[in-house]
Amino acid sequence: SQQGEEDPQALSIQEGENATMNCSYKTSINNLQWYRQNSGRGLVHLILIRSNEREKHSGRLRVTLDTSKKSSSLLITASRAADTASYFCATVDRGAQKLVFGQGTRLTINP
Amino acid sequence: DAGVIQSPRHEVTEMGQEVTLRCKPISGHNSLFWYRQTMMRGLELLIYFNNNVPIDDSGMPEDRFSAKMPNASFSTLKIQPSEPRDSAVYFCASSLTGQGIRNTEAFFGQGTRLTVV
Repeated sequence: SQQGEEDPQALSIQEGENATMNCSYKTSINNLQWYRQNSGRGLVHLILIRSNEREKHSGRLRVTLDTSKKSSSLLITASRAADTASYFCATVDRGAQKLVFGQGTRLTINP
Repeated sequence: DAGVIQSPRHEVTEMGQEVTLRCKPISGHNSLFWYRQTMMRGLELLIYFNNNVPIDDSGMPEDRFSAKMPNASFSTLKIQPSEPRDSAVYFCASSLTGQGIRNTEAFFGQGTRLTVV
């Protein structure tokens, strides 16, 4: 089952620009996570934000969470060609442990 | 640690045959997830285990699919009989969850690409 939707489905930008991806979900969550997937590979965890947090940073990544709107955004600043990948948000509901993923955003960074 | 290990990496089988996918989670992790990824349906959660016990199998598509976790270091996903529409990449992931554990990130294996012809 899919938790929610990600927007946009695909994004193509020039190297050096910032990339913003959005995620919406439907339930009451414990936390929301972002993952990255390079073509043909497994997913790699990027960052986790808890339901009582509003913003979190990790290197060039910035994640926001708005629980009133049930939405999150991932910002990648100063993008690089190596950032080309698919990015997924995933949620863990309150009182549960299962991790449910969105459809993902395919990001292409043009050199 | 070597991470989550899945085998085989690639499997091609004929329709009607039994397929068994294997997963070794990270040592010490107590939650294990099986996902299926296709272009059409994205990343679907099939089943997850906690402390070797199946907690939620609502994502298992049909009775042809079954999963077991006989011990903390091994899990299998079996499809019998297989059909062409089962063709997908199957991922196993593990994590450490529980009360008082603040980081519940999942670690993924490299996946098994299954082709049923």
